[in-house]
Amino acid sequence: GAGVSQSPSNKVTEKGKDVELRCDPISGHTALYWYRQRLGQGLEFLIYFQGNSAPDKSGLPSDRFSAERTGESVSTLTIQRTQQEDSAVYLCASSLRTGGATGELFFGEGSRLTVL
Amino acid sequence: SQKIEQNSEALNIQEGKTATLTCNYTNYSPAYLQWYRQDPGRGPVFLLLIRENEKEKRKERLKVTFDTTLKQSLFHITASQPADSATYLCAPRSGGSYIPTFGRGTSLIVHP
Repeated sequence: GAGVSQSPSNKVTEKGKDVELRCDPISGHTALYWYRQRLGQGLEFLIYFQGNSAPDKSGLPSDRFSAERTGESVSTLTIQRTQQEDSAVYLCASSLRTGGATGELFFGEGSRLTVL
Repeated sequence: SQKIEQNSEALNIQEGKTATLTCNYTNYSPAYLQWYRQDPGRGPVFLLLIRENEKEKRKERLKVTFDTTLKQSLFHITASQPADSATYLCAPRSGGSYIPTFGRGTSLIVHP
């Protein structure tokens, strides 16, 4: 597709379960970002991938959160032993290595996670 | 620590008026600043970028200013329309950083 694709769009899980969220970036975009947005809040940076470089994990809130990316393609964000405070929309974005002329990020529609 | 401030209260205006949204930042020296629009249930969409050496940038009905002395950017929508109703996010960005940091956004509501 032409845009950033995320799945699932909605996920309801029970506390303590593990969840996986998937992001398929725009073809050719080497940079990939994960953000978290709690209800009524701003975007909270989680992790950044750039090509084959080591990811910047400085935003991950705890060791229950991890993410992987294979080359310059799909990324998976995994949350283990989910807690209610993990409930949020998880947004993925991609961009060109140098951000092109504007450094703009292209966002997916997000994965809404609800932990009961 | 770095801080980005946007009005947390919604801005309500009448159709046809000019909407002005404010983004203030502290402990930053951004090389450029981006503005995004976010509709409910959707991901943000890029609107405009302004660089530190630019005072003003325009795109159709949108105008952005950037005052590095005041550490402030203003985002204007002229001849506003109900379809402009959304949340607008600013993202100042240092030249050496590849990780945009976003403000919480300001909700704009344009009444017909």
